[in-house]
Amino acid sequence: DGGITQSPKYLFRKEGQNVTLSCEQNLNHDAMYWYRQDPGQGLRLIYYSQIVNDFQKGDIAEGYSVSREKKESFPLTVTSAQKNPTAFYLCASSRTAGANVLTFGAGSRLTVL
Amino acid sequence: QKEVEQNSGPLSVPEGAIASLNCTYSDRVSQSFFWYRQYSGKSPELIMSIYSNGDKEDGRFTAQLNKASQYVSLLIRDSQPSDSATYLCAVNTGRGGGADGLTFGKGTHLIIQP
Repeated sequence: DGGITQSPKYLFRKEGQNVTLSCEQNLNHDAMYWYRQDPGQGLRLIYYSQIVNDFQKGDIAEGYSVSREKKESFPLTVTSAQKNPTAFYLCASSRTAGANVLTFGAGSRLTVL
Repeated sequence: QKEVEQNSGPLSVPEGAIASLNCTYSDRVSQSFFWYRQYSGKSPELIMSIYSNGDKEDGRFTAQLNKASQYVSLLIRDSQPSDSATYLCAVNTGRGGGADGLTFGKGTHLIIQP
């Protein structure tokens, strides 16, 4: 079955540590996205990539970094510069860069201890 | 600041009744509108999209769009307990033409009472 796989599902981090969240898709989608969701809040866009080896900042990119070395993979690193990283992180993809419909992964819940 | 507003709820509806969820948006040039359902602890899944004024029906779901009044709504007929979830409204404000232009509302928590 085609879909998006995010790992780990749950992650605990000490303050000052960088962590990387994995996102892999086998849908052959061109565009990939990372969102952050906080309790009672809408999704906020962190980074997106419309093509391999290119990515753009979203609305809340500070403290995060990404790479897009392969079409299938779009990992997100939460750096120690992110002041409040505890959140639910969602990876998504769309068929083309101009497509509006998103397919989401199951999400990764990050907790900073 | 482009905004998408939803009543956070909870909205409580008896089983079998019609659930009505509303969403307003601030950017008049918005062209694409979406409803996602999100169960607690899970990721959102698309249930409806609408692009032109009027109604669009898909099974028990009807999306309604009124661009002049800048609102989009979702009706769920014959509500079932399995419909209990948070419903996210998403509007494409046209920033990039693709999904990077989507703005999400905070969601409405719907509870269907058996």
